Amino acid sequence: DAKTTQPPSMDCAEGRAANLPCNHSTISGNEYVYWYRQIHSQGPQYIIHGLKNNETNEMASLIITEDRKSSTLILPHATLRDTAVYYCIVRPPTGNQFYFGTGTSLTVIP
Amino acid sequence: EAQVTQNPRYLITVTGKKLTVTCSQNMNHEYMSWYRQDPGLGLRQIYYSMNVEVTDKGDVPEGYKVSRKEKRNFPLILESPSPNQTSLYFCASSLRALYSNQPQHFGDGTRLSIL
Repeated sequence: DAKTTQPPSMDCAEGRAANLPCNHSTISGNEYVYWYRQIHSQGPQYIIHGLKNNETNEMASLIITEDRKSSTLILPHATLRDTAVYYCIVRPPTGNQFYFGTGTSLTVIP
Repeated sequence: EAQVTQNPRYLITVTGKKLTVTCSQNMNHEYMSWYRQDPGLGLRQIYYSMNVEVTDKGDVPEGYKVSRKEKRNFPLILESPSPNQTSLYFCASSLRALYSNQPQHFGDGTRLSIL
């Protein structure tokens, strides 16, 4: 699986958009980009995933660059409850293993 | 309600005393997996199962066993626990693994302390 690089921590003001970057420069053509988050020590929660096109759901938007070497997770209006560790993962659809890495700790500031 | 249930949520025990952490899902998922989470190391996969009677090692399988006799259950067994297995454990499931881009659903975690 391709490795990902994320900043260890970020802050965001409440109500503003939170933009979390992820670098996956060695991604293969069939590997998907997934985002999960973990609030405190709860189980990780799936947010969104995509292959090539930008994706949006009720939680977030995922922007994948045209060369697919990086992506950005956007939380459009961050709230205090969005404070969590965010993990960017890439894996092929045929892959059986998941590599979470250490993620980005996002703190939403009042 | 669709969920992954782990038991116990917390356990303090002693070195060498066999223990089992249960995991059950009610979503008819084929794929199940166990992770451990340690400070600074993120989540690391211990074992996974593609379906009933099919299990395989993840990144850190040493000291653990699993079984998948039924689709809904995937227990994690520590035959002779040691202090380095003190950790936060998560069970997860997804509809499928192979030929799929299905996301995983996680349980609430089990915090194990081995003295």
